[in-house]
Amino acid sequence: DSGVTQTPKHLITATGQRVTLRCSPRSGDLSVYWYQQSLDQGLQFLIQYYNGEERAKGNILERFSAQQFPDLHSELNLSSLELGDSALYFCASSVGVWRANVLTFGAGSRLTVL
Amino acid sequence: KNEVEQSPQNLTAQEGEFITINCSYSVGISALHWLQQHPGGGIVSLFMLSSGKKKHGRLIATINIQEKHSSLHITASHPRDSAVYICAVIETGGGADGLTFGKGTHLIIQP
Repeated sequence: DSGVTQTPKHLITATGQRVTLRCSPRSGDLSVYWYQQSLDQGLQFLIQYYNGEERAKGNILERFSAQQFPDLHSELNLSSLELGDSALYFCASSVGVWRANVLTFGAGSRLTVL
Repeated sequence: KNEVEQSPQNLTAQEGEFITINCSYSVGISALHWLQQHPGGGIVSLFMLSSGKKKHGRLIATINIQEKHSSLHITASHPRDSAVYICAVIETGGGADGLTFGKGTHLIIQP
């Protein structure tokens, strides 16, 4: 157990639907990162939050949004789902906001869009 | 062209062999991560380095900032080392704080 908890582990849904993925960071970590891993694109950085504030954005689609709550857990919302959104979504956490932090990854949430 | 290139893409070796996985990048970086992803999908951070060399057990990671190159070595390889090894960099300057990933090296160690 890495200390980073992601739920759900698996999710199957239909095109056009909306889902929410949840991440609880490791105790003491203030930064949360979301990553997408698909077969064709590999791992891609989506977005980072630090202590409740958006810190950096990567290749996140406009149909996707995220937030970090006061208790530091984070949610990634995926809407108007398409077949191509099927992927593993990883959350990672780190202590600070500065570059080159040590990252701890969750086990991932596998999303299948049918 | 991908900013982070790994070689080889696939590697099969016998138990006990010395393994080297290479990572080259084309951008300025502040740090480089080596990650391990097992068949179940979970990702573990093995090393984060910005210069020199780090060692943890049978794993050694080196980086040459001037040559924009890093290597991950596994000594006395074991079947449990079978996994995908991913190199990822944090770019200097502007842009996201997230990682830019290589495509990964799929390593199989046969008994």
